[in-house]
Amino acid sequence: GENVEQHPSTLSVQEGDSAVIKCTYSDSASNYFPWYKQELGKRPQLIIDIRSNVGEKKDQRIAVTLNKTAKHFSLHITETQPEDSAVYFCAASNDMNYGGSQGNLIFGKGTKLSVKP
Amino acid sequence: GAVVSQHPSWVICKSGTSVKIECRSLDFQATTMFWYRQFPKQSLMLMATSNEGSKATYEQGVEKDKFLINHASLTLSTLTVTSAHPEDSSFYICSGGGGFGYTFGSGTRLTVV
Repeated sequence: GENVEQHPSTLSVQEGDSAVIKCTYSDSASNYFPWYKQELGKRPQLIIDIRSNVGEKKDQRIAVTLNKTAKHFSLHITETQPEDSAVYFCAASNDMNYGGSQGNLIFGKGTKLSVKP
Repeated sequence: GAVVSQHPSWVICKSGTSVKIECRSLDFQATTMFWYRQFPKQSLMLMATSNEGSKATYEQGVEKDKFLINHASLTLSTLTVTSAHPEDSSFYICSGGGGFGYTFGSGTRLTVV
């Protein structure tokens, strides 16, 4: 089955700096790669996602890149702010989105991001 | 967007009792619901997949007789933790499927005392 590795486990940056979190996956059939932000005691919030037919996607200060050949994808946060502090999870899925069925998400172990003012 | 309502948000129960957690898809029909468990400072781990009208499929190491899953309708899936023990204390969260994206419920914090 799918295995997702995520690094680093903790990341501390100064406000305004960039933060990069990297994930690798093992199953070449995976085709959907979301990133979640989770604050303590709350549900994961989708912040950005990418599908396997795209190499890069950007949404304001957040971007994700995907290298299918190497089976890795990365989250980039620019101009970090203290409110970006949270735990970030990457995930992978074989999203069989045809006919209504869907594969489950396999999560990385998470990265605790701390942004210091 | 798609919404999954999960209840209760937190529950405290005594050892040996059972607790039922509900997840309802409010504006879509969820043929599939995924149940995850998250221990403190850890990632979300898939426990089981419920399928409307059929038996749930459980991940390796998850006791199906202890974690009862029912998905009797297209809008409701339930997880019952039977004979709960302190080691079952965790954050349980569901995610709707069915082609509408991965919509998470708000989670249930279970504490067994």
